Amino acid sequence: AQSVAQPEDQVNVAEGNPLTVKCTYSVSGNPYLFWYVQYPNRGLQFLLKYITGDNLVKGSYGFEAEFNKSQTSFHLKKPSALVSDSALYFCAVRAFSGSARQLTFGSGTQLTVLP
Amino acid sequence: DTEVTQTPKHLVMGMTNKKSLKCEQHMGHRAMYWYKQKAKKPPELMFVYSYEKLSINESVPSRFSPECPNSSLLNLHLHALQPEDSALYLCASSRYTGEPPKETQYFGPGTRLLVL
Repeated sequence: AQSVAQPEDQVNVAEGNPLTVKCTYSVSGNPYLFWYVQYPNRGLQFLLKYITGDNLVKGSYGFEAEFNKSQTSFHLKKPSALVSDSALYFCAVRAFSGSARQLTFGSGTQLTVLP
Repeated sequence: DTEVTQTPKHLVMGMTNKKSLKCEQHMGHRAMYWYKQKAKKPPELMFVYSYEKLSINESVPSRFSPECPNSSLLNLHLHALQPEDSALYLCASSRYTGEPPKETQYFGPGTRLLVL
């Protein structure tokens, strides 16, 4: 079985400060990891994904994520937070395994950037 | 262009009504999905269509009936719903569902459903 954990329900950060939203995963096989963002009353927007190769993945809106195989983590980061980054963030995983092809989402982290 | 469109944006229906949700994509994707999302929770997979054929039904009650008329369209027919079915219904698409499972799912804006 595959699973994703987002240990923080809520993250608050001041505008201009760096932000990190944490994600750890558990899969058998090679993981394919995704980050999505959801603004209020909207669908999920794709931010970035890790497939293979460089452990640092750059995505939309200045976000990046670092894949760490030994720690089974895929934390989302941004060097300087904006108030407009305030939203609900979901980490998701799919495993290279015939029995578990579908996206498994974490529980979500509400990011609030304070002006 | 990675746009998935959904109509209507909002829907209020009684428990005896019949209604349909519509989803459309023109990205040439051959996999389409329905998800249900409750407030502040992650999306829950309901159905997966691959090449216009239903490939996954996550034990969804029969009052939800999906349909894929062609490769660009996905419908969700609703009948005799319960108040607990009130939620945001999200459609998504991806190039395919095969191995390796690296394809990105692109989501529509959702239909917010209220069942009275």
